[in-house]
Amino acid sequence: KNEVEQSPQNLTAQEGEFITINCSYSVGISALHWLQQHPGGGIVSLFMLSSGKKKHGRLIATINIQEKHSSLHITASHPRDSAVYICAVRGRETSGSRLTFGEGTQLTVNP
Amino acid sequence: KAGVTQTPRYLIKTRGQQVTLSCSPISGHRSVSWYQQTPGQGLQFLFEYFSETQRNKGNFPGRFSGRQFSNSRSEMNVSTLELGDSALYLCASSGQGNYGYTFGSGTRLTVV
Repeated sequence: KNEVEQSPQNLTAQEGEFITINCSYSVGISALHWLQQHPGGGIVSLFMLSSGKKKHGRLIATINIQEKHSSLHITASHPRDSAVYICAVRGRETSGSRLTFGEGTQLTVNP
Repeated sequence: KAGVTQTPRYLIKTRGQQVTLSCSPISGHRSVSWYQQTPGQGLQFLFEYFSETQRNKGNFPGRFSGRQFSNSRSEMNVSTLELGDSALYLCASSGQGNYGYTFGSGTRLTVV
């Protein structure tokens, strides 16, 4: 079992739909990251969470430390949101910047 | 401010050769970490450098090595290339005490 599990692996939505991507992890963490990767490879850091909830525009990220679970929500989805979304954790016992990644969720938003 | 710069963007090498990739972090960032992304294994941590010292190392063979210079620029080297080393290699920089990351655009290495 991977230390970081994401679901679903693939997600297709219609423009305007509310989207949720889930991430579960099995280790104690100091921080959880949500990343976005577009075709071509570049990765953008969307959120870094250690507790609670963060919002940026149409994106919302939540984390429940006790349940070892995080969700990324996209409200009013748009075709430009189509990308791979990756959950990554920094273990509590880790010094420095070592991240462990989920397998990613391929999101396609159709117009 | 300028982002994280990785060079080259694309590279084709032959089995058995060696390759050096470069990463220039955001000005002021002293931590540079390297990752390998393949379709089969996803994103995996290679190593991290902080103030010219390797602080963490992932589970990769000794053919993979790196270093960091006094200006925080980092290089990674892969010797005796194998077909399985074909991947997107990403680096990320982070400021001290801040666990946020800025990623470069990556170097896509193809080994033939």
